[in-house]
Amino acid sequence: AEKVIQVWSTASRQEGEELTLDCSYETSQVLYHLFWYKHLLSGEMVFLIRQTSSSTAKERSGRYSVVFQKSLKSISLIISALQPDDSGKYFCALWEKGTNAHKVIFGKGTHLHVLP
Amino acid sequence: GGIITQTPKFLIGQEGQKLTLKCQQNFNHDTMYWYRQDSGKGLRLIYYSITENDLQKGDLSEGYDASREKKSSFSLTVTSAQKNEMAVFLCASSDGGTNQAPLFGEGTRLSVL
Repeated sequence: AEKVIQVWSTASRQEGEELTLDCSYETSQVLYHLFWYKHLLSGEMVFLIRQTSSSTAKERSGRYSVVFQKSLKSISLIISALQPDDSGKYFCALWEKGTNAHKVIFGKGTHLHVLP
Repeated sequence: GGIITQTPKFLIGQEGQKLTLKCQQNFNHDTMYWYRQDSGKGLRLIYYSITENDLQKGDLSEGYDASREKKSSFSLTVTSAQKNEMAVFLCASSDGGTNQAPLFGEGTRLSVL
């Protein structure tokens, strides 16, 4: 069974709009981290933002923020004021504390197209 | 700041050929990873290493070998390239501490004729 699920494979928005990308995950660990990355056409994989399971803070980094619903095992990435350069593939990833503590598992990603 | 360098950026091979991909990092990170990205399948973990000379199999290790002879380098070998195979191989490293977010290289694009 997949541990990290990104339901939407593609999304399109107009420049200036706000977008929410959803991710759900499976874990039995108490301590875990969730990460969002952006994969550029150049090949670069850019780390965007992290959410720790033990944190209740609403994480934010520039135009990126997350909505963490721990009881639902859900984390959404919100990108505000979309720009054409935000186009790319966005990945959600899970790190769990446990016997496989060094594994980081990725979802299948969501392609975002921002139209000018 | 540090950098993760993957070589080569593009790799064209023949069916059945053994192909080696290299990755170097200067973050002094303990843990290094190799992921494979195929269209529609996300990133799948091939091998990872938590320290020099350590190797751990990921979910996609069959058909691959890996080597971590130095802390700063992690190489991946495709033991027998499959015809028409196309994928991007991404190397990453992390400090293994509380941050844990792996940092990535720019990838090696493989095409097999």
